[in-house]
Amino acid sequence: AQTVTQSQPEMSVQEAETVTLSCTYDTSESDYYLFWYKQPPSRQMILVIRQEAYKQQNATENRFSVNFQKAAKSFSLKISDSQLGDAAMYFCAYRSERSNSNSGYALNFGKGTSLLVTP
Amino acid sequence: GAVVSQHPSWVICKSGTSVKIECRSLDFQATTMFWYRQFPKQSLMLMATSNEGSKATYEQGVEKDKFLINHASLTLSTLTVTSAHPEDSSFYICSARERGQGETQYFGPGTRLLVL
Repeated sequence: AQTVTQSQPEMSVQEAETVTLSCTYDTSESDYYLFWYKQPPSRQMILVIRQEAYKQQNATENRFSVNFQKAAKSFSLKISDSQLGDAAMYFCAYRSERSNSNSGYALNFGKGTSLLVTP
Repeated sequence: GAVVSQHPSWVICKSGTSVKIECRSLDFQATTMFWYRQFPKQSLMLMATSNEGSKATYEQGVEKDKFLINHASLTLSTLTVTSAHPEDSSFYICSARERGQGETQYFGPGTRLLVL
């Protein structure tokens, strides 16, 4: 089974500054998807960014970008110009490209990083 | 964008009763829905995968007789916690995979269950 590791339980960043959240994963597959989800206090899961493993170009979504290092199995999230509304739990997730017999296309989540944004 | 709703958002019940949670895809057809459980300050743990018109596939350690899942249509899946006990108190989240759009899952807002 694929494992997703987020080694930073908590991170803090000042408003307008940049922060990077780390994520590593373990897989023997060559095709897969990686995601970053945000979970604010409302607990609604919000997709932040998605990366297809076959794409070499790093995904970007406005202030959010990733550093995808396939050989190193690393998928970090960079948040630029941090805003107070960015404060949340951030989960890194892996999804196999192929449906397996048990979990279909289910997401495999890391333990999360709690991001605090200070004024 | 695609919207997934869950009902109820909050439920308190007595030990021994059964609770049904609904997950609906509002503006798309979901061939597959997933049920996750999240304890406070922890990550989401997959409980089961629900495919329309077929039996759900449960993860190891999840009691299928306790957590009954029914995916009756392409827009509705239900999770019934039977004979609930305090240890079943948790946050339950569903997600739906849009038909033909394999890589994106849309999450419901979650249901907080408290069993007294």
